[in-house]
Amino acid sequence: NAGVTQTPKFQVLKTGQSMTLQCAQDMNHEYMSWYRQDPGMGLRLIHYSVGAGITDQGEVPNGYNVSRSTTEDFPLRLLSAAPSQTSVYFCASSYSPVGYEQYFGPGTRLTVT
Amino acid sequence: GESVGLHLPTLSVQEGDNSIINCAYSNSASDYFIWYKQESGKGPQFIIDIRSNMDKRQGQRVTVLLNKTVKHLSLQIAATQPGDSAVYFCAENIGSNYKLTFGKGTLLTVNP
Repeated sequence: NAGVTQTPKFQVLKTGQSMTLQCAQDMNHEYMSWYRQDPGMGLRLIHYSVGAGITDQGEVPNGYNVSRSTTEDFPLRLLSAAPSQTSVYFCASSYSPVGYEQYFGPGTRLTVT
Repeated sequence: GESVGLHLPTLSVQEGDNSIINCAYSNSASDYFIWYKQESGKGPQFIIDIRSNMDKRQGQRVTVLLNKTVKHLSLQIAATQPGDSAVYFCAENIGSNYKLTFGKGTLLTVNP
């Protein structure tokens, strides 16, 4: 198993540009989520999905869109990047967020200038 | 709002000593807690979890203690090794809420 994979590892965007962060898992997990991590802070939940076709907002959803067309993939879209979105983004998956281990991807470091 | 926090942002210990990392939570409805370890440049890694109907849970070299009276959670690492150097996060969940809330983290440094 590759576990949770994320691409790209690094990305630099200009303000106003759009991009999609990719996340895939091969463990047949129903639950997937996106977090952002800023210096000196813990992880903050952006969006999550409890299964294909089902998504919901987390703590900091503004400026981000998600979709879940398959169990394996959970892309995160930035429609118009802003400097405030400079962060490290982590994708995670598990059978359930409660009672089951969440597996995190290696992260994508995004800089918006 | 409700949040999960940590008492100490940094902790430095000698190799072989026991480490204790603390976490305070303010939401009495939280019923599931997790500790994660994050090494530099990597994603968080699950260490151990505990439900609110338990006071203590043990893993390999790690023990989590939950004190619901004072809303306090701790992670004890026995015989700390240099490979334990990392940032440790606690996280909480409430019932059927699918949203994990993370604390800010504690940096553990193990000196040889």
